[in-house]
Amino acid sequence: NAGVTQTPKFQVLKTGQSMTLQCAQDMNHEYMSWYRQDPGMGLRLIHYSVGAGITDQGEVPNGYNVSRSTTEDFPLRLLSAAPSQTSVYFCASSSPGQGLYGYTFGSGTRLTVV
Amino acid sequence: GQQVMQIPQYQHVQEGEDFTTYCNSSTTLSNIQWYKQRPGGHPVFLIQLVKSGEVKKQKRLTFQFGEAKKNSSLHITATQTTDVGTYFCADPTNDYKLSFGAGTTVTVRA
Repeated sequence: NAGVTQTPKFQVLKTGQSMTLQCAQDMNHEYMSWYRQDPGMGLRLIHYSVGAGITDQGEVPNGYNVSRSTTEDFPLRLLSAAPSQTSVYFCASSSPGQGLYGYTFGSGTRLTVV
Repeated sequence: GQQVMQIPQYQHVQEGEDFTTYCNSSTTLSNIQWYKQRPGGHPVFLIQLVKSGEVKKQKRLTFQFGEAKKNSSLHITATQTTDVGTYFCADPTNDYKLSFGAGTTVTVRA
């Protein structure tokens, strides 16, 4: 099925561990973004990319790294997990002039850091 | 911080009743988008409003963009249990990234 695929769906990490959240889209979208969702705070932008090789910081980038080597993939890396990074993470993609279709979101990764 | 503010944060509705949720911005918006997230799910795009005073309808949902393009509303008529979830407005002023409001979480009493 076409869309945005996120893996894993659930993850438990110990403080200090590192991991990569995977995101892949097969819609040839240029724009890709990572959001985290915490209760009562909506979706906050972590990092985004406007195309392969181009990334930039969003509202809450600290503790996260990204890269965009291909159009399809946009992994999010946690270098040293902290309990404050316990959250639900969503990857989303879109194209220029996307107003008719909006952003397409993945099903999310539920991360717990203990 | 968030550019768009949503009220109320929670809306408890009797099945069959109408309700409205509001989205306000401190700056003039070029467009505004609305998304719905079912419990345990992911945000799904509903609609984009572009023109000042624009009104769009999707079945029982009516979306409106303010004349000054600084606010928007979503009105749901005859609420059903399928309307349960969180409704977000989002500012797509930067086409390549969205700024979301905190959302209105809707519960329905049967």
